[in-house]
Amino acid sequence: AQSVTQPDIHITVSEGASLELRCNYSYGATPYLFWYVQSPGQGLQLLLKYFSGDTLVQGIKGFEAEFKRSQSSFNLRKPSVHWSDAAEYFCAGDYKLSFGAGTTVTVRA
Amino acid sequence: DAMVIQNPRYQVTQFGKPVTLSCSQTLNHNVMYWYQQKSSQAPKLLFHYYDKDFNNEADTPDNFQSRRPNTSFCFLDIRSPGLGDAAMYLCATSREVGTSGRDQETQYFGPGTRLLVL
Repeated sequence: AQSVTQPDIHITVSEGASLELRCNYSYGATPYLFWYVQSPGQGLQLLLKYFSGDTLVQGIKGFEAEFKRSQSSFNLRKPSVHWSDAAEYFCAGDYKLSFGAGTTVTVRA
Repeated sequence: DAMVIQNPRYQVTQFGKPVTLSCSQTLNHNVMYWYQQKSSQAPKLLFHYYDKDFNNEADTPDNFQSRRPNTSFCFLDIRSPGLGDAAMYLCATSREVGTSGRDQETQYFGPGTRLLVL
């Protein structure tokens, strides 16, 4: 089945440090790929999306992601993490949004 | 601001007592989705409407039904809630611009309704 996977269940990062969240996909054609963030008890907020074109995608809140076909990856990055970035992050693919299992990000002071 | 609204944010029901969750949108999107998200899990698609066409996921239990009386509103009906149906229910909308099913624009999510079954 076509899907996305997030290898990391939980990541802890220091405030001000860089963050990278991994996402791998298994679609045959060029997929639609998304990153969403979810704070506790809240809905999902779109950070960024990739449909085609430039493989480096800029999103909100200082996040970016790079689509790498050779590695079947769409990793999310942020150069300097803020305490407010602590949340659950979901990678999702295709138009019916097959979600990865999510990565919980904890930010330590 | 255009948005997706879900009411109520928290819903408590009794085991076996029917419950309805509502979703409305001001985005004028033609596709509406319902997801179930259990604790510490990813959202799972239950069904979606493309305009008035209902599309059920193969593994969605019969206990879950949906209605879409117009473009703006969509309801999730749980006919006989069990303890295992306690979850966050997320509504989302998108605008499908093509006929292939792949020309899908981004899904926008509501804040969710957390359902508790006693």
